[in-house]
Amino acid sequence: AQSVTQLGSHVSVSEGALVLLRCNYSSSVPPYLFWYVQYPNQGLQLLLKYTTGATLVKGINGFEAEFKKSETSFHLTKPSAHMSDAAEYFCAVSGFNDYKLSFGAGTTVTVRA
Amino acid sequence: DAMVIQNPRYQVTQFGKPVTLSCSQTLNHNVMYWYQQKSSQAPKLLFHYYDKDFNNEADTPDNFQSRRPNTSFCFLDIRSPGLGDAAMYLCATSSGTSANNEQFFGPGTRLTVL
Repeated sequence: AQSVTQLGSHVSVSEGALVLLRCNYSSSVPPYLFWYVQYPNQGLQLLLKYTTGATLVKGINGFEAEFKKSETSFHLTKPSAHMSDAAEYFCAVSGFNDYKLSFGAGTTVTVRA
Repeated sequence: DAMVIQNPRYQVTQFGKPVTLSCSQTLNHNVMYWYQQKSSQAPKLLFHYYDKDFNNEADTPDNFQSRRPNTSFCFLDIRSPGLGDAAMYLCATSSGTSANNEQFFGPGTRLTVL
């Protein structure tokens, strides 16, 4: 079984500041890890995913995440926040042959001018 | 552009009045999913189709049904909506059922129950 904990339901950052969203997972099998973004009244869009190989994963819109097995973490970062990054972000986990994504509760990001 | 389309984007129904939500896709994917997302919560998988094979999640209420008449279309039927069924309903598709198969989401239908 897999589960995800996102630390912090709301994050507020200044435009140009670092964005850091925290995600810790629990998995009984080697995990596949995902970050999705959801803009208001829209569906989910995949930002990036970790399957195997390089632990630092680069995604769209300047986001990246690092898989740390020893810490069971998959934190999402962006060096410089933009107003367009205001959205809700979901971390999710699944196993290799498992279609089922287990989502975290989500983190809402607001960006201050 | 290949995409997942959901209609309508906003649906209002009355307590107990059956409602159908629609999803179509131009990706020609084998798998179609329905998720329920209540306000400020994570999406919750209700069921999915792999081709014509229907797979219900164990905790999905009987009130929720689905139909997939062909590869492109999938419908979510709520037989007797209750106030607790008010939510965003998300349709997603993927080419297969391993974690390597990215799920592509539609924009969602927001259901209001009066």
